[in-house]
Parts: sequence; C-alpha cells; structure tokens
Amino acid sequence: DGGITQSPKYLFRKEGQNVTLSCEQNLNHDAMYWYRQDPGQGLRLIYYSQIVNDFQKGDIAEGYSVSREKKESFPLTVTSAQKNPTAFYLCASSAYRDRGLEAGNTIYFGEGSWLTVV
Amino acid sequence: AQSVTQLDSHVSVSEGTPVLLRCNYSSSYSPSLFWYVQHPNKGLQLLLKYTSAATLVKGINGFEAEFKKSETSFHLTKPSAHMSDAAEYFCVVSGFGNEKLTFGTGTRLTIIP
Repeated sequence: DGGITQSPKYLFRKEGQNVTLSCEQNLNHDAMYWYRQDPGQGLRLIYYSQIVNDFQKGDIAEGYSVSREKKESFPLTVTSAQKNPTAFYLCASSAYRDRGLEAGNTIYFGEGSWLTVV
Repeated sequence: AQSVTQLDSHVSVSEGTPVLLRCNYSSSYSPSLFWYVQHPNKGLQLLLKYTSAATLVKGINGFEAEFKKSETSFHLTKPSAHMSDAAEYFCVVSGFGNEKLTFGTGTRLTIIP
C-alpha cells in the first residue's frame, strides 16, 4: 500500500544531542514537508522540499536541518540548538505542480513521531 | 497573507445529533480549503477539500462543508454524530502553492453516549 512511513514513533533525546527522524514515502510525490505540533495548537511548518536536492525553510526552521537526497526520503534532524524540541513531528507529502497551475493539492500525512527531551 | 480561525476549541454533542464545527478564513488569493481529522497520536487524515468547484463539498464518513465566500466561512457538518467521530479537527487554507498551508488551532470533538 502507498503511504508515508515515519520512524521511530517515540524517541527520547538527552540535552545536547542531535536526533534524526526518518520519513519515507512511496507515493511518488515530488513535495515533502515537516511540521511540528504542540499540544492544543495547530501545525507549524519547519521545512519543505519540492524537488530532490532542494529545500526551503518554513516558519520555525531554527534548530532543525533536513536533506533531500532521494525523492522518497526527507529526514529531519533536530539539533542541540533547538531549545524546546519536545513535540509531535509530522511528515507529509504532496504531488507538486508548477506555480501558475492548480493550487490546493492534497497533502498526505504520516503517523507522526513523538520526541521527548529527557 | 492568509489565516484561518476555528471558532470553537472544544465541541461536545450527543451521539446521533448533528455536528457543526466552525471555520472562518482570510486569504489574498482564491483559496483552497481543507478539513483534516486527527485521532490521538495519529497523523492527519483528509476529510474533504474545496478547490473552487462546487461550494458544497462532501467528504468521507458523512461529513460535508459549505464554502461561503460572502461570509469567508467553511463550516464542517455531519447530520448524526457517531462515537468514532471523537477526534481533533483542523481547518486548513492553502494559497498559492502548498508551502503556504495555514492550519487552524483545531477543534476537539467529544461525543456523549
């Protein structure tokens, strides 16, 4: 079945450590995204990528890094510079179309990863 | 610039009664609008979307939403609530390109047996 796989589901990080969250999709989507969700709040965009080897910062990119070496993979690293990393992280993907064409492509989400600082 | 406001952070209804979750939006572009549902510790699942076709949009699980440009609203409704509808619901507006998605803060729907 096609979908988005995030791993691990639960992750604990010690102060000062970097951790990497995995996101893989087999939907053949061009665009991939990372969102952060804090309790009782909506989602905030961390990074997004529209094509391989290219990505852009979202609204809260500080303390995070990403790579997009393959179309199906978009890992997120939470660095020690992120001061408040405890949150639920959601990876998503969508079929991307060039600007000027139809907007509003559906975004599909993975099951999420919980990161807790201990 | 675009924004979305979910007018209720928490809605409780009895099983079998109608559901109304309210959403207002603002957008500089002709927007696309979505409703997503999130069950505890899960990702978001698309319920329905509006992309400038019919203003009344039907989604999965008996949900529907009506786009009202004059009121800048996109309220989500369901005629009869089911226990399995208990979840968090997010209204989302998309402008020019998906990277411009803006999420509401969510409405938690509780179903009373």
